[in-house]
Amino acid sequence: RKEVEQDPGPFNVPEGATVAFNCTYSNSASQSFFWYRQDCRKEPKLLMSVYSSGNEDGRFTAQLNRASQYISLLIRDSKLSDSATYLCVAGTASKLTFGTGTRLQVTL
Amino acid sequence: DTEVTQTPKHLVMGMTNKKSLKCEQHMGHRAMYWYKQKAKKPPELMFVYSYEKLSINESVPSRFSPECPNSSLLNLHLHALQPEDSALYLCASSQNLQGPEAFFGQGTRLTVV
Repeated sequence: RKEVEQDPGPFNVPEGATVAFNCTYSNSASQSFFWYRQDCRKEPKLLMSVYSSGNEDGRFTAQLNRASQYISLLIRDSKLSDSATYLCVAGTASKLTFGTGTRLQVTL
Repeated sequence: DTEVTQTPKHLVMGMTNKKSLKCEQHMGHRAMYWYKQKAKKPPELMFVYSYEKLSINESVPSRFSPECPNSSLLNLHLHALQPEDSALYLCASSQNLQGPEAFFGQGTRLTVV
């Protein structure tokens, strides 16, 4: 079983749609959680950190459920520019472990 | 400034060559990382340096040799690589091992011929 699991997609959604990504992690020692965005042939870029209390940044909302070891990302009012691969990340005291990523394609 | 700079951006090398990848950050971060990423796969951790000391080696073959000359620089020395080592090599840094977040450089796209 992978340490961080995501649905690989692709998720094909029209502009303006709301889309949700889910992720589970297996290492109970994980203590920090993030969503990264990666465009084709580019480096991963930090989208947002994820907290148990939930956090929102504009159209993006992230949530963490420690009991279920589950992380989510909600994107509202999708834009064409949101098309990318979204990587779920769980970190312990010494390293970050990446999920395989979920590919999002937003279309006109 | 949340910039991690990697050079070169692209590298083609033969299996008998020796080359080095370089990474630099001036954010005062004390943890630096090398990741390897193959196409359509997530980044895989190779090495972690904390306060210029090697903290983690994820069982990486000895043909990859990391070096941390000072707190701002991280090198990856390459020798006798195989074609299957062709990948995107990403450097990242964070304030310390506990993060909180890691920032990535643009990567070096390596092709071994």
